[in-house]
Amino acid sequence: GEDVEQSLFLSVREGDSSVINCTYTDSSSTYLYWYKQEPGAGLQLLTYIFSNMDMKQDQRLTVLLNKKDKHLSLRIADTQTGDSAIYFCAETGGADGLTFGKGTHLIIQP
Amino acid sequence: DAEITQSPRHKITETGRQVTLACHQTWNHNNMFWYRQDLGHGLRLIHYSYGVQDTNKGEVSDGYSVSRSNTEDLPLTLESAASSQTSVYFCASKEGTGELFFGEGSRLTVL
Repeated sequence: GEDVEQSLFLSVREGDSSVINCTYTDSSSTYLYWYKQEPGAGLQLLTYIFSNMDMKQDQRLTVLLNKKDKHLSLRIADTQTGDSAIYFCAETGGADGLTFGKGTHLIIQP
Repeated sequence: DAEITQSPRHKITETGRQVTLACHQTWNHNNMFWYRQDLGHGLRLIHYSYGVQDTNKGEVSDGYSVSRSNTEDLPLTLESAASSQTSVYFCASKEGTGELFFGEGSRLTVL
């Protein structure tokens, strides 16, 4: 069945890079997504990558996809306090929309 | 601007009562979803709909029902609320393989 795994917490110092990792199981996923959830709010799409791509860069965000290992990562360069949030990895492929990981809480240390 | 709105944003109810959470989107999306978010479980799919008069069960559908009488709305009903249904509920919509848009969430407490 489909399952998306990610670490629950990541703590980084302000100004450092954050790397959030995710593994998925559905090799038929067409897209893979990263969503961001700030406290008290809904999820917002941060970025996505087509399954036939290896990398996507968007300003401070870099997404790396290793299809062979079914591994997805999100790198946030120069992490700021405003990046503090829960980050969800998600995959498509099923008839029921997206399958989400449990979310990684990104904690920023001053 | 098009949007997706949920109401109420916060609700406290008692065990056994019927509760309905509203979801309204103005994108004219065919696909609508209800998720619940719980610590340690992430988001879990409750019900979803691919269009008017279409409803489908998700991973955790027991105790919940939905109806789709028009494109814009997918209300979620808890027929007899239980304490285990205390959670934050998110409605979402999308068209085809496009971006999934989320509402701001409805926090439900069942006492």
